[in-house]
Amino acid sequence: QKEVEQNSGPLSVPEGAIASLNCTYSDRGSQSFFWYRQYSGKSPELIMSIYSNGDKEDGRFTAQLNKASQYVSLLIRDSQPSDSATYLCAVGLNNDMRFGAGTRLTVKP
Amino acid sequence: NAGVMQNPRHLVRRRGQEARLRCSPMKGHSHVYWYRQLPEEGLKFMVYLQKENIIDESGMPKERFSAEFPKEGPSILRIQQVVRGDSAAYFCASSPGLPSTGELFFGEGSRLTVL
Repeated sequence: QKEVEQNSGPLSVPEGAIASLNCTYSDRGSQSFFWYRQYSGKSPELIMSIYSNGDKEDGRFTAQLNKASQYVSLLIRDSQPSDSATYLCAVGLNNDMRFGAGTRLTVKP
Repeated sequence: NAGVMQNPRHLVRRRGQEARLRCSPMKGHSHVYWYRQLPEEGLKFMVYLQKENIIDESGMPKERFSAEFPKEGPSILRIQQVVRGDSAAYFCASSPGLPSTGELFFGEGSRLTVL
């Protein structure tokens, strides 16, 4: 079983729509959860972090965490073409930060 | 306030040569992580180091790969006798503390091509 799993996509949404990205993790003791965005040929950059159950909103981005279900998601409202990128889910546990394979998102004008 | 610095950005090696990738963490960060990324794939953990210590190398191949983070100077990922399958982007990241407490800051990556 993979430690961090994401749908690889590609996920395609029209401009202005809501994009929903999902991630599951295997280690129940995981303590911190992150969403990174990676443009093609570039390094990952952090867009959201979440540490406790529930929702966390930052502008057009909302992260949702459900530790009982071992599930974390990212919603992007009013999607823009500039949001087109690969989104990496990352899970932290003590020394480790493990990444999912990423979901490629395309926002069509 | 410089970010994580990696060099070289691009490196071409022939099979059997050695590759050395360097990473200087952000100022004040003592935790360094190396990840490998193949085209169209996610980040694969290789090794986690603190100053002068390897904390976790469970993701690093047992042969040909080694990493260090000396008391002075950058962290170095060394690949001996490279093979074509080593061609990838190698990302370094640093943090001020354990990843359970906060984000990782990434360098721009070193792209290794093995001919």
